[in-house]
Amino acid sequence: SYELTQPPSVSVSPGQTASITCSGDKLGDKFASWYQQRPGQSPVLVIYQDTKRPSGIPERFSGSNSGNTATLTISGTQAMDEADYYCQAWDSGYVFGTGTKVTVL
Amino acid sequence: QVQLQESGPGLVKPSETLSLTCTVSSGSISSYYWSWIRQPPGKGLEWIGYIYYSGNTNYNPSLKSRVTISVDTSKNQFSLKLSSVTAADTAVYYCARHVAESYGMDVWGQGTTVTVSS
Repeated sequence: SYELTQPPSVSVSPGQTASITCSGDKLGDKFASWYQQRPGQSPVLVIYQDTKRPSGIPERFSGSNSGNTATLTISGTQAMDEADYYCQAWDSGYVFGTGTKVTVL
Repeated sequence: QVQLQESGPGLVKPSETLSLTCTVSSGSISSYYWSWIRQPPGKGLEWIGYIYYSGNTNYNPSLKSRVTISVDTSKNQFSLKLSSVTAADTAVYYCARHVAESYGMDVWGQGTTVTVSS
């Protein structure tokens, strides 16, 4: 079965850039999406089709996908961005990544 | 703005069938895909399966033998049945919408907690 691997945690200082990676076999050949999940809340779509932002998602969220790695970048990270982040791809069915906890120190 | 609301029993006995319904409001169930996702306590997200409004389904291979997803377009609802549950099926269950296969899930319900225990 297809697997997506993320680092368990990423730490970032306020105002700096956080990068979260998602690794999977030939992931660049598929579309990747990213979700933000704050404690006790439902996931929120922040990136779809590798690079697109849904309406209402701040411009500081951006995405890329090439080779075996998709990356979510948060520029000018704010305290409110502290959350769990999950990547997702389609391989005859949806697969979620293992999740990354972003801590804003 | 379309909204999703999960409903169903919060407690299910081992070996029984878990049944949940997702009601779509302020929008039509037509022309979209509708998924169920779950999240065990303290763990990550797991996709269970989806149904297209026309009735086509696609299930996670790891759960396929126990899962049935159905749709009732007249009620703007879709449902999940998971049979032969064990404690490992204890989770928050979410319903969500996506516009096509491989697209991101842009609308989520608030989630409902289901505990499997005798």
